[in-house]
Amino acid sequence: DTAVSQTPKYLVTQMGNDKSIKCEQNLGHDTMYWYKQDSKKFLKIMFSYNNKELIINETVPNRFSPKSPDKAHLNLHINSLELGDSAVYFCASSYDSVSKKFGSGTRLTVV
Amino acid sequence: AQTVTQSQPEMSVQEAETVTLSCTYDTSESDYYLFWYKQPPSRQMILVIRQEAYKQQNATENRFSVNFQKAAKSFSLKISDSQLGDAAMYFCAYRSPAGGTSYGKLTFGQGTILTVHP
Repeated sequence: DTAVSQTPKYLVTQMGNDKSIKCEQNLGHDTMYWYKQDSKKFLKIMFSYNNKELIINETVPNRFSPKSPDKAHLNLHINSLELGDSAVYFCASSYDSVSKKFGSGTRLTVV
Repeated sequence: AQTVTQSQPEMSVQEAETVTLSCTYDTSESDYYLFWYKQPPSRQMILVIRQEAYKQQNATENRFSVNFQKAAKSFSLKISDSQLGDAAMYFCAYRSPAGGTSYGKLTFGQGTILTVHP
């Protein structure tokens, strides 16, 4: 089944921990993204990679570090987690050079 | 920078009726793309419809259609024959032209929660 898959779907962790969210797409797309949806449901771009190259890096704390081992994977690593990092994180990839396919999101809760 | 505004935090409609969700945007670009995404309680982001700015004809997808007014920078979504499954949060989104320096990022509006009453 062709899709953008994220793991885990839910993540509960304590402040100060380091965690990673993984994303994989089997659609053959060159460009992948991370978006953050905050508690007010507002969605904002964080990062984008094209063929393993970082092309978008919005104003995001440097505790967030994306890593793309190959063009089918874009992982998000977060160091020293803070309460304000609690959100839903979406991975996406572009198809037909315009539209995007989103993963089902990872709900991160920092306690 | 582009901005997208959805002025209706919540809307409601009776089943089988028609509802229109509003979206306005601000841009200095002449060529771009506009989208409506649906986010049901499952939180999956689902593409409903898209519109290319260079196309004068309004996009339609079954019961979903848009009213694209380029000069007014308005992009509303009309849902006809509303169904219970249409209940969700709807997001309007803007994308710069392919190949531009924004590299395909989407700028989203604040979202509109749609309730469908049986």
